[in-house]
Amino acid sequence: QVQLQESGPGLVKPSQTLSLTCTVSGGSISSGGYYWSWIRQHPGKGLEWIGYIYYSGSTYYNPSLKSRVTISVDTSKNQFSLKLSSVTAADTAVYYCARARGIAKGRYYFDYWGQGTLVTVSS
Amino acid sequence: DIQLTQSPSFLSASVGDRVTITCRASQGISSYLAWYQQKPGKAPKLLIYAASTLQSGVPSRFSGSGSGTEFTLTISSLQPEDFATYYCQQLNSYPFTFGPGTKVDIK
Repeated sequence: QVQLQESGPGLVKPSQTLSLTCTVSGGSISSGGYYWSWIRQHPGKGLEWIGYIYYSGSTYYNPSLKSRVTISVDTSKNQFSLKLSSVTAADTAVYYCARARGIAKGRYYFDYWGQGTLVTVSS
Repeated sequence: DIQLTQSPSFLSASVGDRVTITCRASQGISSYLAWYQQKPGKAPKLLIYAASTLQSGVPSRFSGSGSGTEFTLTISSLQPEDFATYYCQQLNSYPFTFGPGTKVDIK
């Protein structure tokens, strides 16, 4: 059973960089076949896909966040990470990591999720 | 971006009721749609992908249908553990987007 666990600071100051890591257990990121994703949910709101990464390092980002987002992978640690720069209060959200499984090229849904971590942007 | 709308946004139902939630896409997405269930304080849980394929372990009272721009999620007999918020997600094109959610509450 694949499990994902987010970790990182719960409080980030405005204009700084939000950094989160997702540790995957029960399966190897390097085995391929899946993309590894970040998704966020503003308090009381819907879900927003941030982007994802393949074990090779190939990434796709949501254009709405692309200028501020970097997703990276560390296969030796079976982890992938999110960096979101120049944060504002609007970036306050629960951040989830998730495994993306494809049914066709470029067509992915999310079958395993972490529990989520609340990140608050405040001075 | 492909916009998804869901109706209703809220519904009140009783245990044993048949419940149907609709998801509409702003453009055709073939059968590239997934449904998730989210309970308060928890991560979303995948129910259905490819519009109608039940994820392993999900009870058979959940079913999905549709293609193109209109999709439905049906719960054939609502159970106490089904009270939650349901989201659709399009996987047809980047960026992947989610619907605004339908909250199913106890009548």
